[in-house]
Amino acid sequence: GENVEQHPSTLSVQEGDSAVIKCTYSDSASNYFPWYKQELGKRPQLIIDIRSNVGEKKDQRIAVTLNKTAKHFSLHITETQPEDSAVYFCAHVTQGGSEKLVFGKGTKLTVNP
Amino acid sequence: SQTIHQWPATLVQPVGSPLSLECTVEGTSNPNLYWYRQAAGRGLQLLFYSVGIGQISSEVPQNLSASRPQDRQFILSSKKLLLSDSGFYLCAWRGSSNQPQHFGDGTRLSIL
Repeated sequence: GENVEQHPSTLSVQEGDSAVIKCTYSDSASNYFPWYKQELGKRPQLIIDIRSNVGEKKDQRIAVTLNKTAKHFSLHITETQPEDSAVYFCAHVTQGGSEKLVFGKGTKLTVNP
Repeated sequence: SQTIHQWPATLVQPVGSPLSLECTVEGTSNPNLYWYRQAAGRGLQLLFYSVGIGQISSEVPQNLSASRPQDRQFILSSKKLLLSDSGFYLCAWRGSSNQPQHFGDGTRLSIL
């Protein structure tokens, strides 16, 4: 019940287009879902997160949606820019007191100018 | 504000040599601490996590070990490095439940 499936593994878009990355989890008790952006050679950095008591959260060009019934959550980036190019990881908190974040395998986003 | 320090930034070690990577957190108390390894172009593999001093949970069997001698100090060690230990090692901390993890800048370890 810990795994999270992330799709697609690679995504290439033209500057100005939107990008969507989707993650599916199986632990129905999960209630916290962060997204991280990792630029080449750098540490992963939190860009947005959502808790299970809301269905959507937006921060400028970035939004996250959560469907607890279907057990999936998605990252939406609008008006993409070349500096959005990076690897994006979704994650969720496992329950049962384990205090762990389980990460997806990542999506390499390339924004072509 | 909270900060996390990880060192060294890069390390080149011969096969069979020992390893010690250190991570410290400032500005918080009793954090959860984590060690991850990331192979080139790959995802994040959780190696160890700790919810308190002296409490270590291991996620994968390997020749690495972790210790938490102080509340805000987390150490990753090995007695004898293998070629397969090469990678990008990341330390992270988290406060209370359902809060994000924050990563250190990482150590790039190359085994020759």
